[in-house]
Formats: sequence, C-alpha cells, structure tokens
Amino acid sequence: AQSVTQPDIHITVSEGASLELRCNYSYGATPYLFWYVQSPGQGLQLLLKYFSGDTLVQGIKGFEAEFKRSQSSFNLRKPSVHWSDAAEYFCAVGAGGTSYGKLTFGQGTILTVHP
Amino acid sequence: DAGVTQSPTHLIKTRGQQVTLRCSPKSGHDTVSWYQQALGQGPQFIFQYYEEEERQRGNFPDRFSGHQFPNYSSELNVNALLLGDSALYLCASSLAGGFTEQYFGPGTRLTVT
Repeated sequence: AQSVTQPDIHITVSEGASLELRCNYSYGATPYLFWYVQSPGQGLQLLLKYFSGDTLVQGIKGFEAEFKRSQSSFNLRKPSVHWSDAAEYFCAVGAGGTSYGKLTFGQGTILTVHP
Repeated sequence: DAGVTQSPTHLIKTRGQQVTLRCSPKSGHDTVSWYQQALGQGPQFIFQYYEEEERQRGNFPDRFSGHQFPNYSSELNVNALLLGDSALYLCASSLAGGFTEQYFGPGTRLTVT
C-alpha cells in the first residue's frame, strides 16, 4: 500500500524568502505524485503533478517540484514566497493497478508567511 | 467552465441520523471520488465511482455508501452517524481514460452532535 510522509507540520518563512516543503512517499512502482494547496475552509487546488518524464515539474503560482526516485521524495519549492502563499500544502501519491484512481495524502504542512 | 460543486456547504446532524451529500463534477469529467478530511488531517479516500459503479473503496465501513447518476453527478450517504464522522467531505472529479489529476470541490462541512 502506498503512503506519504510530510515531515514538517508547520513552517514559517519571511516574505521574499525561498521555500522548500518536504514529501517522502512509499510505493513499489513508479508513482503518480501531486501537490495540492488548501486555504482555510476551502477545497484543494492542484499546484502541480508528476506522471513521467522530466523529473523537475513546473506548476502554478511559481511553484516547482523535483521527483527523486533514489530518495523517494517529491519536494515542493518556490524561490520567493508571497504573503498570499500562506496556506496548508498536501503531497499526494496515486497508484495504478488495483488501487487505480485512489489518492493517498500526507498529513499536510501549514505554511505561515511573515511580512 | 464550472468546476466541481458540492451541496450543502454546511450541515449539522445528530448521532444516529442519516445524511446525504451531493457533488457535480467538472464539465467533461466522468469519474467522482469522495474523501473525508478530519480536522488537522489530510484527506482520506472513501470511494470512487465510474460508470455508475463503485470502482475503488478505501477503509470505510458500510455505513458509507454512494451513488453515481447517468449525468455523472454523485451522492455520498452516511447512515447511523457517529461523532467521529464530523469532518470536511470533499468530492473530486477526473477522467477515467487514464490516471489523470483530480479536481476538488469546496467540500461539505458535516458536524455531528
């Protein structure tokens, strides 16, 4: 069964600073990987996805993520954080085979941005 | 282009009651998945519907059931509500042709008292 670990429950950065949110997954084959963002009381918005190919993927709002198979990681990065990026971020893994279509999410990382 | 819509937005029920939540998928999507998000947790997969049948199911009891209609909209039913069922229920839609990204609705906040 697949699983996702987001080691950081809460991260605080200053506006304009760089950001990296960590995500480690467990899955026996090539995973489908996603990052979603959730503002308080809202649904999830897809930031970016990795299915195959180039391991560095670009998303919306200036975010990017790098898939590293050797480390089972899919970390999210942004070079310069804006106050509007404050939200909760979720990494998710999707599987094929008998679990086709099921997304498994991490616990989430809450991002606070200081002015 | 309408995204995923869910109704109602908020709901308060009493233990033992039954509840029905509704979801309309994004235009052009034919697959609907339901997730439960407890406070402070990541979403947990309940089940997925495609072609009006349950295709995948997570670790949820039979009290949780669903339905998909010919227009691809879906309902989530929960019977014999428990306090622990209080959560944000999220609906996501996608295309079944291959594994594609899932688009989420704003959710229904269910409070069980």
